Amino acid sequence: DIQMTQSPSSLSASVGDRVTITCRASQGINNYLAWFQQKPGKAPKSLIYAASSLQSGVPSRFSGSGSGTDFTLTISSLQPEDFATYYCQHYNSYPLTFGGGTKVEIK
Amino acid sequence: EVQLVESGGGLVQPGGSLRLSCAASGFTSSDHYMDWVRQAPGKGLEWVGRSRSKPHSYTTEYAASVKGRFTITRDDSKNLLYLHMNSLKPEDTAVFYCVRAQPSGTPYPHYFFGDWGQGTLVTVSS
Repeated sequence: DIQMTQSPSSLSASVGDRVTITCRASQGINNYLAWFQQKPGKAPKSLIYAASSLQSGVPSRFSGSGSGTDFTLTISSLQPEDFATYYCQHYNSYPLTFGGGTKVEIK
Repeated sequence: EVQLVESGGGLVQPGGSLRLSCAASGFTSSDHYMDWVRQAPGKGLEWVGRSRSKPHSYTTEYAASVKGRFTITRDDSKNLLYLHMNSLKPEDTAVFYCVRAQPSGTPYPHYFFGDWGQGTLVTVSS
């Protein structure tokens, strides 16, 4: 199974900050990497797929990058509605697995 | 507008069975790969299983933690997806989400989690 490791597990940031979350796969995943946002009590929401493609309707302040085993989600200017937990997930092979999540909190 | 509405969750005793339903609207579910993903209280996300689309004969894949106990089926006439859960354990307690997968990449696409339902809570406890 491919293990997905996210870091940090949590971070505190202010509105307007640039935020970066990293995700490392235990082996190459051919850029089949997605990012999700989840707010408390709500279903996850798709943000990024294929490592860097923005899902329809997602603000352009969100971006994804990386290749091979190392990937990054960047929020260029953190907005109040962005405080949430973020998950990476690979879909290269079965089983599909998620990272442990990164909680973005208000500083 | 794509909508996925799960139902059928509730309290069940260890060793018991439960069937979850996912009502799809705004699209023809038989044309799409569909997944179940769960989230234990206060924990992260875990993929449960996948049903490929009708052109792919509705073949299925499952996580090792549920293989042999959970089964995904469909009712095309009603645009419904089901998750049949048997031999339930306390560690199966979770919110279960129905997900429509989207293709990524050519010529042999892989499928990522696109649209999510609101989830239904399953509690396994005596």
